[in-house]
Amino acid sequence: LAKTTQPISMDSYEGQEVNITCSHNNIATNDYITWYQQFPSQGPRFIIQGYKTKVTNEVASLFIPADRKSSTLSLPRVSLSDTAVYYCLVGDKRDDKIIFGKGTRLHILP
Amino acid sequence: DTGVSQDPRHKITKRGQNVTFRCDPISEHNRLYWYRQTLGQGPEFLTYFQNEAQLEKSRLLSDRFSAERPKGSFSTLEIQRTEQGDSAMYLCASSLELAGAYEQYFGPGTRLTVT
Repeated sequence: LAKTTQPISMDSYEGQEVNITCSHNNIATNDYITWYQQFPSQGPRFIIQGYKTKVTNEVASLFIPADRKSSTLSLPRVSLSDTAVYYCLVGDKRDDKIIFGKGTRLHILP
Repeated sequence: DTGVSQDPRHKITKRGQNVTFRCDPISEHNRLYWYRQTLGQGPEFLTYFQNEAQLEKSRLLSDRFSAERPKGSFSTLEIQRTEQGDSAMYLCASSLELAGAYEQYFGPGTRLTVT
């Protein structure tokens, strides 16, 4: 299970684009990058997963450079409701469990 | 089916009492996971089932903790002789083996307070 490093916390303002970067220098060939979002008093929610280049869905975009040693979760035009903890996870789909770190606490200000 | 459900959502108990939590996964999911989460920390893996078989238990899961998934559907997590340090949010998640462990669907959690 590759180790990840992400900022402990970030602040941004409504309407801004927010980018959260995750470092994973020892990512393995078969590893995917997955991001979860957790609102207060709720369970985490899977939001996006990618292997390389760019993945986009209705919630976020995930940018992965060619060397895959880092990745960036991009949230377009955030609102107050995007205030949450965001977890970056790296591992092989054949893994049988995942290990969460402390994540990044994103606080959106009005 | 609307997702993973957990019952109860909140439980307050006195130290030394036993508590049991229930998790109902998404019906077609064959994997079920239990986690514990304390304030400011990410979820900590406790154990997981593939169908009815319990395949891994964390060292966090002391002898006072036991989990079952008798028919490969719902699961229960029991804590015997609760201690104040057991106070936490207990999360359940389910997934399809084919989708891999990184695509899990979490329930709302059961918040346990031990007084």
